Amino acid sequence: KQEVTQIPAALSVPEGENLVLNCSFTDSAIYNLQWFRQDPGKGLTSLLLIQSSQREQTSGRLNASLDKSSGRSTLYIAASQPGDSATYLCAVGHGSGNTGKLIFGQGTTLQVKP
Amino acid sequence: GAGVSQSPSNKVTEKGKDVELRCDPISGHTALYWYRQSLGQGLEFLIYFQGNSAPDKSGLPSDRFSAERTGGSVSTLTIQRTQQEDSAVYLCASRSTGGEGKLFFGSGTQLSVL
Repeated sequence: KQEVTQIPAALSVPEGENLVLNCSFTDSAIYNLQWFRQDPGKGLTSLLLIQSSQREQTSGRLNASLDKSSGRSTLYIAASQPGDSATYLCAVGHGSGNTGKLIFGQGTTLQVKP
Repeated sequence: GAGVSQSPSNKVTEKGKDVELRCDPISGHTALYWYRQSLGQGLEFLIYFQGNSAPDKSGLPSDRFSAERTGGSVSTLTIQRTQQEDSAVYLCASRSTGGEGKLFFGSGTQLSVL
């Protein structure tokens, strides 16, 4: 059974720091991996999607890497800002066929202090 | 519409009553998903619709839960004889066929069963 784990569960950093969020998964047979952002009381916003054949994706100050063989992904946030404060969720596309069904981690709640 | 729309945004009901939650996916998206987000449980997959194929109901927690999708667009999630443990945020997502496979989520329906 695929399980997704995110470490740490919570993180507080001062503004301007670079930081790394970690995601691990137990079964390397994934179709893709997505990182989402969730603000309190809101839905999920897709940040980055990495296909299983890719090693990383970048968008602005965000960089996500994928190492399927070791079952790990990291989300790197450069020069963090208070507006980055949110819960970050990692999800893997898993199962029979690329159906888009996702298995989520529990999330990392990030607080960036001004 | 521009995004995935869910209604109502909040629903308070009494134990034992039936509730219906609605999802309008992004126009043209053929795949539609329902997820549930509970405190301490993270995001759980409930059901998945793809075009005219039979839905994947493997995530529905009990036979009190059902969903339909009419005309390949709007979907309704119905919970019969609600229980307090059904209290959660119910999130809908849609995805286009082809493309990179990103899921786009609505803002969710916060269901509270008293």
